[in-house]
Amino acid sequence: DQQVKQNSPSLSVQEGRISILNCDYTNSMFDYFLWYKKYPAEGPTFLISISSIKDKNEDGRFTVFLNKSAKHLSLHIVPSQPGDSAVYFCAASKSTDKLIFGTGTRLQVFP
Amino acid sequence: GAVVSQHPSRVICKSGTSVKIECRSLDFQATTMFWYRQFPKQSLMLMATSNEGSKATYEQGVEKDKFLINHASLTLSTLTVTSAHPEDSSFYICSARPRDPRSGANVLTFGAGSRLTVL
Repeated sequence: DQQVKQNSPSLSVQEGRISILNCDYTNSMFDYFLWYKKYPAEGPTFLISISSIKDKNEDGRFTVFLNKSAKHLSLHIVPSQPGDSAVYFCAASKSTDKLIFGTGTRLQVFP
Repeated sequence: GAVVSQHPSRVICKSGTSVKIECRSLDFQATTMFWYRQFPKQSLMLMATSNEGSKATYEQGVEKDKFLINHASLTLSTLTVTSAHPEDSSFYICSARPRDPRSGANVLTFGAGSRLTVL
């Protein structure tokens, strides 16, 4: 039972343009959502989070949008840079309960 | 910022042997640590939650006798893969939640991971 899904396994974007990574979830009890970035053979690093009381959170080039009615969140990266190339995981939790991760989307930013 | 150190980063062992992986929170105390496993091109799957001073909570389908977890202090958790077999080969990642909720209630800090290869 995959409670958090990232339906696009990969995404290719030109440098300078916007990258949009999508994530869907099924559990309406989730109230905290996070995005992590992961390079090969390394642990994930935290990028940005959003609580269910908000619908948008912005941090520099990264913005996360939450649509609770659609049980959907997205991460926007603008402008995209080659260093952003990595695997991005969304994660969700109920309060401070365990994090449930999506399957990941491999982003490649080309010059 | 919070740092989690995981050791060893890579280990190769023979089938039937046991392997211990350590996870340390370097600059904060972690009442709770989590162990994840990642197969190639797949998601991070939570294996177990360890709480300092008490038994670990294992996810469904994870053999507690094969994957022994000990969280003896606020800065150290260990995962021991007992009698390892080739199917246990995977990337194991630990994470810790800072004790101070002001750090961000559910922002986990991850270790760099340990690649286990069982021959």
